[in-house]
Amino acid sequence: GQQLNQSPQSMFIQEGEDVSMNCTSSSIFNTWLWYKQDPGEGPVLLIALYKAGELTSNGRLTAQFGITRKDSFLNISASIPSDVGIYFCAGHTGGFKTIFGAGTRLFVKA
Amino acid sequence: GAGVSQTPSNKVTEKGKYVELRCDPISGHTALYWYRQSLGQGPEFLIYFQGTGAADDSGLPNDRFFAVRPEGSVSTLKIQRTERGDSAVYLCASSPVTGTEQFFGPGTRLTVL
Repeated sequence: GQQLNQSPQSMFIQEGEDVSMNCTSSSIFNTWLWYKQDPGEGPVLLIALYKAGELTSNGRLTAQFGITRKDSFLNISASIPSDVGIYFCAGHTGGFKTIFGAGTRLFVKA
Repeated sequence: GAGVSQTPSNKVTEKGKYVELRCDPISGHTALYWYRQSLGQGPEFLIYFQGTGAADDSGLPNDRFFAVRPEGSVSTLKIQRTERGDSAVYLCASSPVTGTEQFFGPGTRLTVL
């Protein structure tokens, strides 16, 4: 089936550092989504991307929809302790069935 | 306003039993989605509804799993003859219409002993 390969699996960084994580697939995606999940809660949408090459920002977060439509990245600038959590990439290949990656676990040391 | 709510928050059952998990979507949202999240993994799509009908149920793992949304609002995920491998967090999400932002509930943690 369709799979999203998300990397890195985890990151340990110092407060104030920038973070980059990415997602790749062997399939073409029509939509790329980035979510954050805190313990005991459901994922919350951070950024949605709808066109190849699109670069979108949301505060300190920036994400891009890869030109090949098979990859996406998320950058977080000047990390703060509340950025701790699990970040998931997700997308649609056709229709509205959403495929999720396995997540990147972010740890921020104050 | 009220978000997506799911009940119960935790369910412990024995192998072979039947369970029902309930999802109350955001009022007015026509699309509703069910996912299963195993430890250390991302959510895995199960089924989504547009109104009362299941628009895509291709993620249901087998015929022990069934979901309904009879009035186009509340949905129930039903699992028959539960197995230990069914243990996971079951997430529900809703969106105003299909294809727009999905708002997730906190999930129901199912443990099958």
